[in-house]
Amino acid sequence: GAVVSQHPSWVICKSGTSVKIECRSLDFQATTMFWYRQFPKQSLMLMATSNEGSKATYEQGVEKDKFLINHASLTLSTLTVTSAHPEDSSFYICSARETEFNEQFFGPGTRLTVL
Amino acid sequence: GQNIDQPTEMTATEGAIVQINCTYQTSGFNGLFWYQQHAGEAPTFLSYNVLDGLEEKGRFSSFLSRSKGYSYLLLKELQMKDSASYLCAALDSNYQLIWGAGTKLIIKP
Repeated sequence: GAVVSQHPSWVICKSGTSVKIECRSLDFQATTMFWYRQFPKQSLMLMATSNEGSKATYEQGVEKDKFLINHASLTLSTLTVTSAHPEDSSFYICSARETEFNEQFFGPGTRLTVL
Repeated sequence: GQNIDQPTEMTATEGAIVQINCTYQTSGFNGLFWYQQHAGEAPTFLSYNVLDGLEEKGRFSSFLSRSKGYSYLLLKELQMKDSASYLCAALDSNYQLIWGAGTKLIIKP
């Protein structure tokens, strides 16, 4: 099956620093990648959708200047949490799909803890 | 508005059968997905239904009724490792996934 990797798998940082998370589709070209956030015991919350070569579409309430998304190639998307604060601590999960009709394949997630 | 409803939590016994229901209301419909998510891990794909009827895949089956906006995931011969959250998600007319809050399934010996 299709594999999506995510790096790093966990990160601890000080408040005010920026953190970059990478999402890669390893064996297929992902025309669309999605970034989710999940707080404990809650469902996935879509943050943004990105298509290769174009600007990401952010969901309502998600600050695009705080959560910078770059989808530079068909196999790589990055999420940068700028000036992270403790309330940004969460499980960040990316997913990728090849076409509109394909299921989304999820990365293993990145657990971010901001001290 | 768009909405997915599924029970918050269910409990079943090892070896038994459990059915997790999901109802959806979306702007357009391009299929329904079921994902399994263990605590602290990302979701993994279980099934995709776009036509009415039952799709069987080993111990897991998924059913869809488009006219009723209804789906269920059926798990047979439950094993302890099936303890997880099960997420129902509908693909709307913009090919965006609308997620349910998930059903936490607890398996007891």
